[in-house]
Amino acid sequence: GQNIDQPTEMTATEGAIVQINCTYQTSGFNGLFWYQQHAGEAPTFLSYNVLDGLEEKGRFSSFLSRSKGYSYLLLKELQMKDSASYLCAVVDSNYQLIWGAGTKLIIKP
Amino acid sequence: DTAVSQTPKYLVTQMGNDKSIKCEQNLGHDTMYWYKQDSKKFLKIMFSYNNKELIINETVPNRFSPKSPDKAHLNLHINSLELGDSAVYFCASSQDSSGANVLTFGAGSRLTVL
Repeated sequence: GQNIDQPTEMTATEGAIVQINCTYQTSGFNGLFWYQQHAGEAPTFLSYNVLDGLEEKGRFSSFLSRSKGYSYLLLKELQMKDSASYLCAVVDSNYQLIWGAGTKLIIKP
Repeated sequence: DTAVSQTPKYLVTQMGNDKSIKCEQNLGHDTMYWYKQDSKKFLKIMFSYNNKELIINETVPNRFSPKSPDKAHLNLHINSLELGDSAVYFCASSQDSSGANVLTFGAGSRLTVL
């Protein structure tokens, strides 16, 4: 079967760095997305990785290792507004999107 | 301008009733989706339409009937509502039906069945 694993919840301190991991086992791979979802709001796109390596976008970076079936989202200089759920989703060999259950990130002052 | 808009935002109803949720996108996208997000926050795809044609129909009770009058609109009608239907329903759109495209979501419709 297809499976995506993320930690259920993480806590970090304002101003610090946090890494949210995502491991996947899917039938094929055609890319990996990270979405951010604030409580009571819609998911919004953060990043898309299809090749191995690190992609940086301001305070957020996303890393992919296809051989290890692994990705992480790195958030630097954490702000209170970064408190949200972070959803990992993988595009399988049929170009279908497989979603993880999301990681709830709590930022403390 | 709202890219993907869905109405109503909140819906409270009794078991056994029938209700509809409407969705419209002004992005010119070809593909639209309905997702269900339950209390555990897991996003589950229900339906996908590409240019008004149904392309994904996951294992969803046939009480749920989507309808796409044109590629900018995708509505969801639910018959004989049950307690387990309580969830947030998100409409989304993407450029085409490839899962490798970015999804733009609507704000969600929170359905509560009493």
